[in-house]
Amino acid sequence: AQSVTQLDSQVPVFEEAPVELRCNYSSSVSVYLFWYVQYPNQGLQLLLKYLSGSTLVKGINGFEAEFNKSQTSFHLRKPSVHISDTAEYFCAVSDLLAGTASKLTFGTGTRLQVTL
Amino acid sequence: GAVVSQHPSRVICKSGTSVKIECRSLDFQATTMFWYRQFPKQSLMLMATSNEGSKATYEQGVEKDKFLINHASLTLSTLTVTSAHPEDSSFYICSASLVQDYGYTFGSGTRLTVV
Repeated sequence: AQSVTQLDSQVPVFEEAPVELRCNYSSSVSVYLFWYVQYPNQGLQLLLKYLSGSTLVKGINGFEAEFNKSQTSFHLRKPSVHISDTAEYFCAVSDLLAGTASKLTFGTGTRLQVTL
Repeated sequence: GAVVSQHPSRVICKSGTSVKIECRSLDFQATTMFWYRQFPKQSLMLMATSNEGSKATYEQGVEKDKFLINHASLTLSTLTVTSAHPEDSSFYICSASLVQDYGYTFGSGTRLTVV
């Protein structure tokens, strides 16, 4: 079984400041890792994903995340946030099952609130 | 990119009636579709996994007779909430898996309110 822990339910930050949203996971098998953003009353948009290779993953809107296998973490970072980044962010994992669609397990989400 | 169109975006229905939510994959074939439910300010909880042409697999605690899932074609999956009650009010989201690049694409969600 897999689980995802997002340590912060809310993160307030001023515009143009850097931000880190934390995500830790547990799994008995190798996993794929994802970060999604959700705006109010909308579906989820993929920010980035880690499948293999370089542990530093760059995504859309200036976000990046680093996979740390020893710490089982996949923290999301942005060096300078904008008001428009205010949203709910979800970390998710899925099993490595080649050629098969495996379900996503989500964390509880982190509300990023950017203010002037 | 791959797009999943979900309709309706909002629906209000009376208690005891049934509501159908549709998810269509517009430019790809979705062999597997996942249906999630999200309560306010909470995470997404997987309800069921549907594969084209076969019965859906429901998560523990989800009533399969209440939440009917049909995946009759590679581009359409539907969720029908039967005999809806106020406690079924929630945000429902579908997601299609993209096996070729190991990704997932999500519909825009349906806000169901049962009065």
